[in-house]
Amino acid sequence: DIQMTQSPSSLSASLGDRVTITCRASESVNKFLNWYQQKSGKAPTLLLYDASTLQNGVPSRFSGSGSGTDFTLTIDSLQPEDFATYFCHQSFTTLGTFGQGTKVELK
Amino acid sequence: EVQLVESGGGLVQPGGSLRLSCAASGFTFSNSWMHWVRQVPGKGLQWVARISGDAGSTTYADSVKGRCTISRDNAKNTLYLQMNSLSDEDTAVFYCVRDKGGSYYHGVAADWGQGTLVTVS
Repeated sequence: DIQMTQSPSSLSASLGDRVTITCRASESVNKFLNWYQQKSGKAPTLLLYDASTLQNGVPSRFSGSGSGTDFTLTIDSLQPEDFATYFCHQSFTTLGTFGQGTKVELK
Repeated sequence: EVQLVESGGGLVQPGGSLRLSCAASGFTFSNSWMHWVRQVPGKGLQWVARISGDAGSTTYADSVKGRCTISRDNAKNTLYLQMNSLSDEDTAVFYCVRDKGGSYYHGVAADWGQGTLVTVS
């Protein structure tokens, strides 16, 4: 199985900050890397897919980049509704695998 | 608007069985790949199973293979997950998920239900 490792596991940030979360795959997943946001007690929602394509309705302050094994999720100008846990997910292999999550908290 | 509503979760003893259901609406269910994804409370996510729109193709995670069966009733717009020989390691919230690809497989979870909690104890 391809292992997905996110860093950091958690971070503290202030409103308006730029936040970057990284996701590393144990082997190449090409461009097939997706990002999900999960708020406390809720189901995850899709933010970006295929590394950099924004899902419909997702604010443009979210962006993604990378290919192969190294990917980043960037949130420009952190908003109150962005405090949540973020998961990366590779869909290169059948069913895929998720990262362990990065919790973004208010500093 | 896509709606996915899971039901069937609950408390079950080790070795027991449970059938989860997911009522879908707001899209052409019979054309869509569907999935079950689970999450141990406070932990990470694991893709459990997938099924094609015509139910002709199914795939399972190794951790549930032989114990779980994903199925669908396109006439009822409903997805199922039959789980047998449950252990405490199966305790999780189970989410019904619509694939972003629709009739073609993309492997991206575009829409999620609210989840149903399965507790094995």
